[in-house]
Amino acid sequence: LAKTTQPISMDSYEGQEVNITCSHNNIATNDYITWYQQFPSQGPRFIIQGYKTKVTNEVASLFIPADRKSSTLSLPRVSLSDTAVYYCLVGDIGIKAAGNKLTFGGGTRVLVKP
Amino acid sequence: DAGVIQSPRHEVTEMGQEVTLRCKPISGHDYLFWYRQTMMRGLELLIYFNNNVPIDDSGMPEDRFSAKMPNASFSTLKIQPSEPRDSAVYFCASTPARLGLATDTQYFGPGTRLTVL
Repeated sequence: LAKTTQPISMDSYEGQEVNITCSHNNIATNDYITWYQQFPSQGPRFIIQGYKTKVTNEVASLFIPADRKSSTLSLPRVSLSDTAVYYCLVGDIGIKAAGNKLTFGGGTRVLVKP
Repeated sequence: DAGVIQSPRHEVTEMGQEVTLRCKPISGHDYLFWYRQTMMRGLELLIYFNNNVPIDDSGMPEDRFSAKMPNASFSTLKIQPSEPRDSAVYFCASTPARLGLATDTQYFGPGTRLTVL
């Protein structure tokens, strides 16, 4: 069971880069790391997913070191609309017998200021 | 596709009453998840299904909670009897199946805000 730990909150300003680190010391071999974004009164929305090294898409980058015990979500040049809660999810739903379980972190509340 | 559909969007009930939350996953998605979100406990996975079969219900808080998936396009989460501490936002999510072992992208519904008085 990969427990995750994230900062509770962080503030930033428009145009800056925001980096959120998630710790997952007990990550298993088959676990992937997924980040979600949640706005008030909405369900979480997928941002990015990775297994190792670096993944980049049009929204964010995900950095995963070789030991995979942590990961960092990087949001380039944030805007006010990026104010949301960001969740780190580590897990694998492939095999029940292994006792795998999806685990959401507590979430990081990001406030982007003008 | 309309995305994951949940109903009702808001539910207010009195303690002791039965509550049924409904979810329609995205067509073709083989996995369905039920989550509960509160300020105190964050986002908790309650149960998930694969091809309509419950796979892991270890997150279900107690026997008052039950979930069913009678077919690929419909699932219910029932609370009987409801208690004030069940007040939360309940999300349903679905994801397509893939080959191999990986955490697939989950598509969340808009949630049902439950208030138990």
